[in-house]
Amino acid sequence: EAGVAQSPRYKIIEKRQSVAFWCNPISGHATLYWYQQILGQGPKLLIQFQNNGVVDDSQLPKDRFSAERLKGVDSTLKIQPAKLEDSAVYLCASSFLDGNTIYFGEGSWLTVV
Amino acid sequence: GNSVTQMEGPVTLSEEAFLTINCTYTATGYPSLFWYVQYPGEGLQLLLKATKADDKGSNKGFEATYRKETTSFHLEKGSVQVSDSAVYFCALRAQGGSEKLVFGKGTKLTVNP
Repeated sequence: EAGVAQSPRYKIIEKRQSVAFWCNPISGHATLYWYQQILGQGPKLLIQFQNNGVVDDSQLPKDRFSAERLKGVDSTLKIQPAKLEDSAVYLCASSFLDGNTIYFGEGSWLTVV
Repeated sequence: GNSVTQMEGPVTLSEEAFLTINCTYTATGYPSLFWYVQYPGEGLQLLLKATKADDKGSNKGFEATYRKETTSFHLEKGSVQVSDSAVYFCALRAQGGSEKLVFGKGTKLTVNP
């Protein structure tokens, strides 16, 4: 069974530039999550979708971050403009509706210089 | 709010040593508890979980018991291997079908031959 796919794996950008990350969840998983993991910390939820609707985006910095899941399958997370403190690993995860087991992708590593 | 506290690392052990990584939580009701592992350069993988009090989760020689009375979910392994070197995250998921995972800060384990 294919896992959660993410791209790009690595990205280096200058501050004030924009970046987009893509995620394709496991087939059949209705719930999709984006987490931010800063070095030395545990992952923090940015946004959670069920199908194409947002369930929780309370910790998403909406002035610079946006995310969409238009067809209820794959998703894009965008940062514009990026700040130095956005340097982190962006983890996409998915689960069935019950959320009993959440599967993570390998992450997209962002460095803002 | 819900939170997870893990023992601070890093933890360095010799091969075949006994491992304990402490984890305590704060949550209302009966959360589900998880241990995730992150190998270098990889995403998070579910190691084990427990969904109710006194449940024991186990996988790959690791185990953890859900202790409601002490609000703990300590990770143990009787004999670690070099290949167990990774960062271990304790996490909880509050009751309810759409609740997010809340992670601890992670504990880095290094096992030397």
